[in-house]
Parts: sequence; structure tokens; C-alpha cells
Amino acid sequence: DVKVTQSSRYLVKRTGEKVFLECVQDMDHENMFWYRQDPGLGLRLIYFSYDVKMKEKGDIPEGYSVSREKKERFSLILESASTNQTSMYLCASSSPSSLPGEQFFGPGTRLTVL
Amino acid sequence: DAKTTQPTSMDCAEGRAANLPCNHSTISGNEYVYWYRQIHSQGPQYIIHGLKNNETNEMASLIITEDRKSSTLILPHATLRDTAVYYCIVRVAGGTSYGKLTFGQGTILTVHP
Repeated sequence: DVKVTQSSRYLVKRTGEKVFLECVQDMDHENMFWYRQDPGLGLRLIYFSYDVKMKEKGDIPEGYSVSREKKERFSLILESASTNQTSMYLCASSSPSSLPGEQFFGPGTRLTVL
Repeated sequence: DAKTTQPTSMDCAEGRAANLPCNHSTISGNEYVYWYRQIHSQGPQYIIHGLKNNETNEMASLIITEDRKSSTLILPHATLRDTAVYYCIVRVAGGTSYGKLTFGQGTILTVHP
């Protein structure tokens, strides 16, 4: 069974802290994505990566960075957390051999920044 | 990618078919229709996709109109576990954005006992 896992389901951090969100997939997928989900705004793409050490900005990259050192792992970094980054963060992966719209999502990390 | 329009919410009785409509009147010839759902506190789950023919899998059926301007996702025998937000997404097959998906507001489907 295919699997995308995220390091935490719930996380509480303080303003100004550096926050790492980890995502691991076991499907040998090349493409990985980070989204955030907020009420009334749907899912919005933050960053994606189509290969190790490659990254592309999504629609809302400000305040975030990413790291892809290994194929199976894609990390989202909040350099200095702010309260407006309180959100549900979702990681996804896909393979170039399947249609681009077929993505596999993790369970999500609900981040609260105080 | 084409914009989609879905009803905000729908209800369905358990055991009945749930028919979820989606309007995508500006769809282009090379754009697929995808359906995802998101059960509360979980990540979205891929359900089905189609280009112009009707499609069926173990989860659902997808009916696309001949002009491709709308589609309907059918859950043939809805259960309480099908209560979720259902998203209709239109996405070009290729392109340089490596599979970026644009999720709208979706339809909240509530299945009642």
C-alpha cells in the first residue's frame, strides 16, 4: 500500500521559531509537493520538487523554504514562524509516469503558531 | 487550468446513489477531469479521473457530458464513511508545472443514516 507520512499530526510553536515539517514517501516518486489548507481558501501550493535537490516555487512561497536531499524526503522549513502561518500543511507525491493530476497525500500536520 | 464550479453542499441517504455535479465550461481539449475527496482531518484522496469517456473504478463512476463542459461523480451506494468534501479539478495532462493541482472549495457531501 502506497504511503506518504508526515512527521507530526499536530505541532505548536512560538512566533519567531524555526520550524521543520518532514514528509516521507515510500513509492519512489520523483515529484513531491507542499500545500497549506485554510478555511475558505482551499489548498494552496507552497513549493514542489521534481527531483532531488530541485525545487520550484508554488503560489505562496513567501516565508517558506524547502529541502530535498533524498528522493523519498521533502522538508518544509518556516525560517521564522509567524501567526499567519497557522494552518494545516499537506504533503503529496506523484510519479511522472502517471498523470500529473494523480497525487498521493499525507495525513497533514496542523501547525499552530502562538 | 480551467475553473470549476461545484455546489457548496449536498445530502444523501445511506445506501442511495450520490451524484455530485461539476461545471467546467471553459475546459480545453487536453484537460482531464479529476475527482478527489477529503475526509475530516485527513489528506485528500484521489478517486477517479477522465478525459472524455465515462470511467468507473472500485470507488466511483465519472460521467462526462459530450461537450465536456460538465461532469458528475457517482457514488453508487453511499455509506456514512463517504461523508467528505469532494473536489472536482481540471488539469492539463502535461505542461511544465509538474502536476500542480488547484483545489477549489469543493462540495461537502453528508450521508445520513
